[in-house]
Amino acid sequence: QVQLQESGPGLVKPSETLSLTCAVSGYSISSGYYWGWIRQPPGKGLEWIGSIYHSGSTYYNPSLKSRVTISVDTSKNQFSLKLSSVTAADTAVYYCARLLIVVVPAATVPVGTFDYWGQGTLVTVSS
Amino acid sequence: DIQMTQSPSTLSASVGDRVTITCRASQSISSWLAWYQQKPGKAPKLLIYKASSLESGVPSRFSGSGSGTEFTLTISSLQPDDFATYYCQQYNSYPFFGGGTKVEIK
Repeated sequence: QVQLQESGPGLVKPSETLSLTCAVSGYSISSGYYWGWIRQPPGKGLEWIGSIYHSGSTYYNPSLKSRVTISVDTSKNQFSLKLSSVTAADTAVYYCARLLIVVVPAATVPVGTFDYWGQGTLVTVSS
Repeated sequence: DIQMTQSPSTLSASVGDRVTITCRASQSISSWLAWYQQKPGKAPKLLIYKASSLESGVPSRFSGSGSGTEFTLTISSLQPDDFATYYCQQYNSYPFFGGGTKVEIK
């Protein structure tokens, strides 16, 4: 059974960089699949942040692209998120998930459905 | 960007009711649409993919339909475990989500 677990600081100061890690168990990242980050501000909807392949290829939400870096460490079977210059608007529950992709002619990034999710971790941006 | 609009934002229903949630795309997304269920404090759970395909293990009272720009999620007979928030997600271009529909107890 695939399991994902997010970890990282729960409190980040404005203008600093948010850093989270997603540890994957029950499946080797090197075997394939794409992996993604999704966030959810308190009481609001879901926002895709970006996705990564085990090779290191990354794809980001255009609205966040200038501030986001996603990386993968296959030796530790985990992938990470960095979001720079955070503000209170970045306060959210951050989820990592596995992305089951399909071939879609119109898509400019790997797309599909998120079939396995971590439990989520709340990150608050406040001084 | 393709915008996804769900309606209603909140729906009050009773156990046993037939419930329908609508998701509209600002342009055609073919059948590249998924539905998720999210309970408070929990991660979303995939219910339906490719507009009408039921994810393994999901009860058959859930069904999805539609193509192009208009899609529906139907729960044929609402059960106590179904009170939750439901999100659609398009994957025609970017994996973007709708705003959600909360199904609450009437």
